[in-house]
Amino acid sequence: EADIYQTPRYLVIGTGKKITLECSQTMGHDKMYWYQQDPGMELHLIHYSYGVNSTEKGDLSSESTVSRIRTEHFPLTLESARPSHTSQYLCASSATWTADNEKLFFGSGTQLSVL
Amino acid sequence: KNQVEQSPQSLIILEGKNCTLQCNYTVSPFSNLRWYKQDTGRGPVSLTIMTFSENTKSNGRYTATLDADTKQSSLHITASQLSDSASYICVVSDRGSTLGRLYFGRGTQLTVWP
Repeated sequence: EADIYQTPRYLVIGTGKKITLECSQTMGHDKMYWYQQDPGMELHLIHYSYGVNSTEKGDLSSESTVSRIRTEHFPLTLESARPSHTSQYLCASSATWTADNEKLFFGSGTQLSVL
Repeated sequence: KNQVEQSPQSLIILEGKNCTLQCNYTVSPFSNLRWYKQDTGRGPVSLTIMTFSENTKSNGRYTATLDADTKQSSLHITASQLSDSASYICVVSDRGSTLGRLYFGRGTQLTVWP
């Protein structure tokens, strides 16, 4: 069982609201990621971080922002939610110092619905 | 274009039966291929990793194969159980390092009926 937690599990919110999806891991992993997943589609990388104060945009253009002030915490923020943001958001982490440094540990996800 | 294609898109089998899921990729250079299992409402969990030199690897009732020449991998599930119902995702890495990029398939949705 992975020690990576996401809250909330489900979120229904109105258009224009600001939201923050929380992600925390207790494994001391240096690299963290946010993926977006729609039903029947592949995961798309939207943000990643190599460590504290390091954040990069992923392959999928996203209006969200992230921060990495502490190793264990990697929140994702949407300043103004829109219906097009409705999706499943998965947080993951990995440890670059291990031999299997690409093995991702995923949280259970946040299902976001914007009305 | 680097891609990962999985088949079938969905599969229904009876409990106790075997099944095989396929993954074809065009990712180059190739470093490794990993199979993940994603239960409904949960994040994916790694089942096994295959590197260039490996042909077969087993993890309990799961057996993965890799043919790096034809760029194909399969995941064979033996004596299926109800708990095997999940989406199985194939992920290919192009460099096998922190600079590597991961390419995800869309997954095969497996349903095991009693």
